[in-house]
Parts: sequence; C-alpha cells; structure tokens
Amino acid sequence: DTAVSQTPKYLVTQMGNDKSIKCEQNLGHDTMYWYKQDSKKFLKIMFSYNNKELIINETVPNRFSPKSPDKAHLNLHINSLELGDSAVYFCASSQVGGLNQPQHFGDGTRLSIL
Amino acid sequence: AQSVAQPEDQVNVAEGNPLTVKCTYSVSGNPYLFWYVQYPNRGLQFLLKYITGDNLVKGSYGFEAEFNKSQTSFHLKKPSALVSDSALYFCAVRVDNYGQNFVFGPGTRLSVLP
Repeated sequence: DTAVSQTPKYLVTQMGNDKSIKCEQNLGHDTMYWYKQDSKKFLKIMFSYNNKELIINETVPNRFSPKSPDKAHLNLHINSLELGDSAVYFCASSQVGGLNQPQHFGDGTRLSIL
Repeated sequence: AQSVAQPEDQVNVAEGNPLTVKCTYSVSGNPYLFWYVQYPNRGLQFLLKYITGDNLVKGSYGFEAEFNKSQTSFHLKKPSALVSDSALYFCAVRVDNYGQNFVFGPGTRLSVLP
C-alpha cells in the first residue's frame, strides 16, 4: 500500500495554464507538506498544513494555492503557470507533537512548462 | 539563520570501503537532525535521526550517523558501501518548536563504484 501518493506523476503543460496536483496519505498523520525540488535537486518547503490548518506558508507566489479538504489530503493548485515553475513537487506527511517523527514523501510530480 | 550545509556535492567510494557523507548545521537551541536518501525518480526516504542521547545513531540499511555538538556536525557513515547505496543524500534540521518546519541541505550525490 502506498503511504503518500501523488497524482499525476508527470504533468506537461503550456505557460499560462492552470493545473492541480493531488496528494493523499493513508498513514493517519496530522500534518502534510508541499516541497519544491529544482533542477539542481535543491529542496525547499512551500506549505505545511496541520489538521487542515495552514501552518507554514513560505515565500511562494500567490499563484500557488494549497487546499486541504481533510487531514488525509493536501492538493496544490497553480494558476498562470510560468517557465520557472518547472520542477518536481513533493508531497509529504508526518505526525507532529514533540516526537520528532520523520516525514514520509510521495514520489513526486514532475511538472514541465512548455 | 538556521541552516544545513553539505560541503561535498559528490562523494565517490569503492564498493566495500567505508563511506562518509558530511553535514554541518547551524541552529538556535537543541538540534533535531535527520538524514534522508533519494533514489532516482523517487521521493525522499528516512534513514535516521538524532534527537537526544547517544551521539552515534543507527538507522536503516546499515547506515549510522555521528552527532558532534562541538563541531556542529552530523556525518552519515557506513562501514562497507554497496553499489546499491548510490543515491542522493540529504541532511535536514528541524527549525521550529512543533516539528513542522524543516530545512534541508543541498544534497550529496554518492556514487559507489564496483
């Protein structure tokens, strides 16, 4: 059973389009994240949700809008896609609360902007 | 600012030899440190963590890491490298009080040569 699953795995689209990436976790975790990994493999946190509440919102263009309908899902919607948005986007989840539990990552969504 | 450095972009080691992947950190307060591995086209997988206690931490796949407070380092080690250990390795540090925000190092590519 896949613990953290993202769809789609690949996303190729034109500049200016709007697209969404979906993420689901079946680990019962209370916190979910979105990360962006650029072409040099540098990984940066974008958003974090705890129990459907936005906790972390790093310096990300407001074209990116996360939505968490429930604890098990965190989707990412991107408006007006730009060339610089090309990257691999990773969803992750963890159980927080002082136990320093590690994050579990999905296998990524490879977004390519033409 | 809280940060993680991995001074080597690439580490090459012969199969059967010991390997070390270096990590240094800068945090305020107690450091909570993690190592992750990323195989091609996959998400990050947790290897081990240091929270408190013994400075030598053992993790998955025979990896271990040594925490050194005076040198602010958390180097990843393995006594005998396997070709299958070839991957991208990330050191990470928790940077908030609730375990929801992490900073990742830039990654080190490990190549184990047969």
